[in-house]
Amino acid sequence: DAGITQSPRHKVTETGTPVTLRCHQTENHRYMYWYRQDPGHGLRLIHYSYGVKDTDKGEVSDGYSVSRSKTEDFLLTLESATSSQTSVYFCAIRDRGRITEAFFGQGTRLTVV
Amino acid sequence: SQQGEEDPQALSIQEGENATMNCSYKTSINNLQWYRQNSGRGLVHLILIRSNEREKHSGRLRVTLDTSKKSSSLLITASRAADTASYFCATDAGNKLTFGGGTRVLVKP
Repeated sequence: DAGITQSPRHKVTETGTPVTLRCHQTENHRYMYWYRQDPGHGLRLIHYSYGVKDTDKGEVSDGYSVSRSKTEDFLLTLESATSSQTSVYFCAIRDRGRITEAFFGQGTRLTVV
Repeated sequence: SQQGEEDPQALSIQEGENATMNCSYKTSINNLQWYRQNSGRGLVHLILIRSNEREKHSGRLRVTLDTSKKSSSLLITASRAADTASYFCATDAGNKLTFGGGTRVLVKP
């Protein structure tokens, strides 16, 4: 299995509080992605990174920010959590090169009450 | 809206039958990938087809790609109960990897 770890695995938080999810990899892969998965929507891309300090928005980036200060860590922050951000969040990594597969973490189940 | 859309959303078959699911996408791609997700788990890569390929096989999996129609299909032959999962297509367009809504497959023993 690819070395990718998400933390925490489960979190319950209150509306309006900040939340940070962490994705850690030991593969030295260039690309890192954050997705959210909701029933009826499949996986939707939130933000992604193509290198240290290089990030870009995905299709559902509003309300989220990211940071990547080291190759191995990609942080997803909900500045002020809302109930609509209750979801399962997946991190994925991918090596450089045009023809590469992604490896996924086990997911973080976030509940905003 | 999402780049890839799978059809059907759900599929129920008997063990031993074939399962076919389709994926349509909107923009130019470098390659298209298929993933499987077992309940409560992360996605696992199954197969990748490049934009200049039309068909690819891997074990019981067969993938086709028609770039003129912006569509792909995944065929699982001789299905097994262990194939019960959700299947997702993902389009690779440069740095982004964008997924569709998935097809839920139930293989009944």
